[in-house]
Amino acid sequence: DIQMTQSPSSLSASVGDRVTITCRASQSITTYVNWYQQKPGEAPKLLIYVASRLQSGVPSRFRGSGSGTDFSLTISSLQPEDFATYYCQQTYTTPRTFGPGTRLDIK
Amino acid sequence: QVQLVESGGGVVRPGRSLRLSCAASGFTFNNFAMNWVRQAPGKGLEWVAVLSSDGTIKNYANSVRGRFTISRDNSKNTLYLQMNSLTAEDTAVYYCARDAYKMVIGGGWLDPWGQGTLVTVSS
Repeated sequence: DIQMTQSPSSLSASVGDRVTITCRASQSITTYVNWYQQKPGEAPKLLIYVASRLQSGVPSRFRGSGSGTDFSLTISSLQPEDFATYYCQQTYTTPRTFGPGTRLDIK
Repeated sequence: QVQLVESGGGVVRPGRSLRLSCAASGFTFNNFAMNWVRQAPGKGLEWVAVLSSDGTIKNYANSVRGRFTISRDNSKNTLYLQMNSLTAEDTAVYYCARDAYKMVIGGGWLDPWGQGTLVTVSS
């Protein structure tokens, strides 16, 4: 199975900050990684698919990049509604594993 | 609008069975593969299973293979998850999510997701 790791596991930041979350796969997954945002008590929401494609309706401050084994999600200027937990997921093969998540808190 | 609504969760004794349903609306159900994903209380997301649009190709997480069965009824626009031999480790919110493609191929993504249904396995 492909293992997905994320760093950091948690992060404190302020409104207006630029933050980057990284995701690493245990083997090459080309660009087959997606990013999801989850707020407490809610279902996950797709932000980025195939590494860098912005899902319709998602603000342009979210940016995904990477290929092979290393990927990142960058939020260019944090807004109050961005404080949530973020997960990467690989769909290169089954099982379609998720990363452990990165919790983004308000500083 | 596109909507997924899970049902069937509840409290069940260890070793017993439960069947979850996911009712789809707002899109052509038989054009998309479908997934189940679960989340234990306070934990991260765990992918559980995927089923192709025609119901012929299915894959499971190692943790549920042999105990859980994913299926669908395209005439009813409904996805199912039959869960047998349940243990406390299966306690979680179970989400259904639409896949990007008809077939189970690389490069898909999950969107949208239902609101989830809670399964609690406890004696």
